[in-house]
Amino acid sequence: AQSVAQPEDQVNVAEGNPLTVKCTYSVSGNPYLFWYVQYPNRGLQFLLKYITGDNLVKGSYGFEAEFNKSQTSFHLKKPSALVSDSALYFCAVSPLSGTYKYIFGTGTRLKVLA
Amino acid sequence: GAGVSQSPSNKVTEKGKDVELRCDPISGHTALYWYRQSLGQGLEFLIYFQGNSAPDKSGLPSDRFSAERTGGSVSTLTIQRTQQEDSAVYLCASSHPTTGELFFGEGSRLTVL
Repeated sequence: AQSVAQPEDQVNVAEGNPLTVKCTYSVSGNPYLFWYVQYPNRGLQFLLKYITGDNLVKGSYGFEAEFNKSQTSFHLKKPSALVSDSALYFCAVSPLSGTYKYIFGTGTRLKVLA
Repeated sequence: GAGVSQSPSNKVTEKGKDVELRCDPISGHTALYWYRQSLGQGLEFLIYFQGNSAPDKSGLPSDRFSAERTGGSVSTLTIQRTQQEDSAVYLCASSHPTTGELFFGEGSRLTVL
């Protein structure tokens, strides 16, 4: 079965330190990969996506993600965390071949401590 | 408007009543999705519309749930005879067929007393 895993329910990091939010997937073929962020009482906002090309994708608010095909991972990273980055982060996969059923991970709550 | 618009933002209803939630997608986005999110949890797929094609209703949890999309634009999610377990945030999203990423509305928070 196709799935997306975010192994950490919560990640705590000190402000100014680098952060990583992990995502692995099990999807056949070459899927599209996405990260979304959800601030309290808001809808999800698109951060970045990988379709093809360079394995390091840069997105909004200084975030980037690295696609690793051999490890089927798409970890979200940021070199220096801000308190304002504290939010709920979702990894999502869209299988290719015209399918539309995005598969979302269960989300990782990021807390950046001042 | 520039983004996906949902209304109402908050709805409190009594058990057994019917509710309607509305979604106005971004102009030009042919795909429209409804998701349900309970208490800051993950997203549960409900239904998908693409253009004039028949919708994928496979995620609707029961026959009390239904959705329509009129004229390929505005969508309404209807929950009949609401139950307490229907309490959640209902998120609508739309996407352009060539870009792939989803644009979400702010959600409609439903509380069933």
